[in-house]
Amino acid sequence: KAGVTQTPRYLIKTRGQQVTLSCSPISGHRSVSWYQQTPGQGLQFLFEYFSETQRNKGNFPGRFSGRQFSNSRSEMNVSTLELGDSALYLCASSSRTGGNYGYTFGSGTRLTVV
Amino acid sequence: GQQLNQSPQSMFIQEGEDVSMNCTSSSIFNTWLWYKQDPGEGPVLLIALYKAGELTSNGRLTAQFGITRKDSFLNISASIPSDVGIYFCAGAISTGTASKLTFGTGTRLQVTL
Repeated sequence: KAGVTQTPRYLIKTRGQQVTLSCSPISGHRSVSWYQQTPGQGLQFLFEYFSETQRNKGNFPGRFSGRQFSNSRSEMNVSTLELGDSALYLCASSSRTGGNYGYTFGSGTRLTVV
Repeated sequence: GQQLNQSPQSMFIQEGEDVSMNCTSSSIFNTWLWYKQDPGEGPVLLIALYKAGELTSNGRLTAQFGITRKDSFLNISASIPSDVGIYFCAGAISTGTASKLTFGTGTRLQVTL
């Protein structure tokens, strides 16, 4: 069974640009969550999608957005990149939402903003 | 953003020793999870706890869901070199239609031969 796949693995962008990250969940998983990991703030919840609907959102500015497609694949977008957006972005999938089940994480996308 | 208090922050132990780490929160959770993260990879789920007072084992790992629902503990027995990594606790609350994980600050474990 394939795991959670995130692409690309590494990305370098310039301040002010925008970026789109992709996540393919485990087959059959309908819930996709996104987390940002930085040395200073640790792992912080961005948002969760289930059946193409955003179910929960963390405390991030509106520059961070996401969506989920009918095949459960998800993308997150960050517009007007800032240096502080440099982080490891992790996607996690679960077979359901609303229940507290162990999420399976991908290997992440390492974003560097210069 | 919110992070749970996890201690110790780092540990240097010898192979074969037992390890204990804990996680505390000011809020109540109805699920506690423990993850391990290796460099350059995402966290991997080790143990999930769903009931206050629950004690669950996974091989050499044992975790407990605190009675107050505000804390959790992870023990690793007879550590081996591949136990090296960062261990994170995570608390979760379900609102019925949504859930999110609040992570601890992490415990970095180093094992020496």
